[in-house]
This record gives sequence, structure tokens and C-alpha cells, in this order.
Amino acid sequence: AQTVTQSQPEMSVQEAETVTLSCTYDTSESNYYLFWYKQPPSRQMILVIRQEAYKQQNATENRFSVNFQKAAKSFSLKISDSQLGDTAMYFCAFKNNAGNMLTFGGGTRLMVKP
Amino acid sequence: DVKVTQSSRYLVKRTGEKVFLECVQDMDHENMFWYRQDPGLGLRLIYFSYDVKMKEKGDIPEGYSVSREKKERFSLILESASTNQTSMYLCASSSTREFSGETQYFGPGTRLLVL
Repeated sequence: AQTVTQSQPEMSVQEAETVTLSCTYDTSESNYYLFWYKQPPSRQMILVIRQEAYKQQNATENRFSVNFQKAAKSFSLKISDSQLGDTAMYFCAFKNNAGNMLTFGGGTRLMVKP
Repeated sequence: DVKVTQSSRYLVKRTGEKVFLECVQDMDHENMFWYRQDPGLGLRLIYFSYDVKMKEKGDIPEGYSVSREKKERFSLILESASTNQTSMYLCASSSTREFSGETQYFGPGTRLLVL
């Protein structure tokens, strides 16, 4: 079974600065997908970014980028130019190629301070 | 845009009551999921369904059942609610037709308190 670990339960960052959220996973699969989801306070969970394991290039979505290290089984999220609206719970998730299910990490609560 | 709705944002129930949580999606997705979210544990899958009347157990199915009579609707049932089922419940849906790693789209969640 896959496991996903987020070692930072809480983090804070000053507005406009850069912050990196860590995620490691354990799998014996070679082909899979990784996701970062964001859950703002009292709001719906939304997808931030997605990475296919067969792609060597790191995914980027505007201010959000990932550092995908397949050999190390690491998938960190970098948020550049942090904004107050980035305050949220962030969840890392894993999906293998064949199945439908996501395995989530425990989450990191990020607070962006003005 | 995909829209996933859940019947209630907040629910308060008594121990032993039968509880129904309903989820509806409007994008003709084949897959639907029920998770519970607890602090420090992330999201844990209770059940999922890949087609009408089809269901599979997730990681923590004990104490729960599900029903999917129509493609757009997926219900979670707590047959006899207990205090340890106090939690946030999230519904999600995804499409197997989408060649994008089957991104899941989430509802707003139902916060259930069992007294």
C-alpha cells in the first residue's frame, strides 16, 4: 500500500516571500500521479498542481511549482510571492496509474502573514 | 466548471440515529468518492463507486454504507451513528474519460457532530 507523508503540520510565511511544503511517498509502482490540493478555511478543496511520474519536467502553475525527485520519492510544493489568499491547508496526494483512489498525506496548514 | 454539491454543510445527530449524507455532481463523472477528514490524518477513503450500483470499500468502511442509484448521486449512510463518527465528510468525483490522471473534484464538505 502507498503512504504519503507531510512532515510539516504547520508553516507560516510572510506575504511576498517564498515557501516550500514537503511531501514524501512510498510506492513500488513506476508510473503514477502526484497532486497538491488546497483547502482554504471553510471553503472547497481545489487542485493546485499535478505531476505525472513519467514526466521528468517539474510541473508549474503560475506561482506554484513542484520539485519532483522520483528516486528520492519526494514531491515538494513551492509557492512564490506568497499572498494572503494562499492561507489554507495543503494536501499532497498519490494515485497509481491503474486505480481510481487517491492516498492523501496528513496535510500542512500554511498561514501567510501580512 | 465541475460542480459537486453536498446536501448539508453542518449536521448534528444523536448516537444511534441513521444518518444520510448526499452528494450530487453535474459533470457526468463515472467515479464518486466519500472521504472523512480528521486533523492530522488527512483524508481517508470510506467508499468509492465507479458506476451506478457499483461500489468498493476504501480504507475505513466499517460503520458506513453507500448507495448509488443514479450516476450523479452518491449517498453515504451511517446505519447507527456513533460519537467516533464525528468528522468532516467530503465527497468527490472524477472522470475516467479525462486523460489527466483523473483529477478529483471536491464538494464543500459536511461537518457532522454526533452527540
